[in-house]
Amino acid sequence: EADIYQTPRYLVIGTGKKITLECSQTMGHDKMYWYQQDPGMELHLIHYSYGVNSTEKGDLSSESTVSRIRTEHFPLTLESARPSHTSQYLCASSAGAGRNYGYTFGSGTRLTVV
Amino acid sequence: DAKTTQPTSMDCAEGRAANLPCNHSTISGNEYVYWYRQIHSQGPQYIIHGLKNNETNEMASLIITEDRKSSTLILPHATLRDTAVYYCIVRGTGGFKTIFGAGTRLFVKA
Repeated sequence: EADIYQTPRYLVIGTGKKITLECSQTMGHDKMYWYQQDPGMELHLIHYSYGVNSTEKGDLSSESTVSRIRTEHFPLTLESARPSHTSQYLCASSAGAGRNYGYTFGSGTRLTVV
Repeated sequence: DAKTTQPTSMDCAEGRAANLPCNHSTISGNEYVYWYRQIHSQGPQYIIHGLKNNETNEMASLIITEDRKSSTLILPHATLRDTAVYYCIVRGTGGFKTIFGAGTRLFVKA
């Protein structure tokens, strides 16, 4: 039973197209994150958010942008997709207070740009 | 958040206990140790976490040394479905840039 949802699960798209990867969570978590992961490689943080109207870039430079207009929603947008954007994108959230500060991850979106 | 060090890969026989070590020598007093696993290309799945006491749940046990500089995740009876990448991370209340690292690739063999 997933509490954080990512859509689509797989996406194949042509170069130059604009895409938005959706991420929603039902746990009321303040903090949300986007990670990028190539097959067999490490997770790299590309964006994070403290809460509504708060977004920051992560350690890995990314041409994507994010928004946080509602607590539960943290979409990621690529204005013009390129083959170098081919990767898996993982969304996660965590509580801002309480005993468990751990992450809950979505199932990921596997993006292929052709 | 503090950085962790894990072996790149480990093997374990099916039915035996899998003991996965993690070093976190720079852990601070308010940081918890978390373990996750990632099967194929799915999102990492939470396994267990702890501060300084040993913890056990239905999936695994977590043993944290008294100085908190290292820990061990124990899967008591490994199955083929436990083959995955296991990540050890440390995390406190204010941490955002948690480093997952490469984790340990566990191979459970029949």
